[in-house]
Amino acid sequence: AQKITQTQPGMFVQEKEAVTLDCTYDTSDQSYGLFWYKQPSSGEMIFLIYQGSYDEQNATEGRYSLNFQKARKSANLVISASQLGDSAMYFCAMREIMIYNQGGKLIFGQGTELSVKP
Amino acid sequence: ETGVTQSPTHLIKTRGQQVTLRCSSQSGHNTVSWYQQALGQGPQFIFQYYREEENGRGNFPPRFSGLQFPNYSSELNVNALELDDSALYLCASSFGLAVYNEQFFGPGTRLTVL
Repeated sequence: AQKITQTQPGMFVQEKEAVTLDCTYDTSDQSYGLFWYKQPSSGEMIFLIYQGSYDEQNATEGRYSLNFQKARKSANLVISASQLGDSAMYFCAMREIMIYNQGGKLIFGQGTELSVKP
Repeated sequence: ETGVTQSPTHLIKTRGQQVTLRCSSQSGHNTVSWYQQALGQGPQFIFQYYREEENGRGNFPPRFSGLQFPNYSSELNVNALELDDSALYLCASSFGLAVYNEQFFGPGTRLTVL
């Protein structure tokens, strides 16, 4: 069964510093997609970054980058130059692959609560 | 272009009642997924609709049912509410079923069952 593990329930980072949020995954599929979402206290899930299992380069989106290590089954999120507005819950998720290579459900981890200190 | 909207924002029901939650997908999106997020947990997949057909379902009992309409908006119905159904219900829409397609989430409906 597919599973996402986030081992850091909470993290603190000083404003303007970089922080890494850990994510490991378990799947027997060769083809899959990995996502990171940010969830502020308002509840809405905000898409941050995507990494496909066949992508050779690590994904980057502005201050967000994904450190993808396929052999270790890890997909850590790196946030550079943290800002106070980055304080939120962060979820790692994997997209299930159904028949005909269709994307199915997202499987989420437990989340990491990031607090950015001024 | 409007994003994903959900209604109502908050809802309080009593055990045994029935509830309907609504989701309007983002313009042009034909796929809607529903998730349940209990407090302090990650979201759990309920089901997914693609072009008005259910094409995936999570481990939820049959009292959780849904619909997708021709305009691709969607409803989640929960019958015989239980206390454990108290959660944030999130709707997400996307265009098509490609794995890499970003799913856009709505703000959620917070359901409290007393």
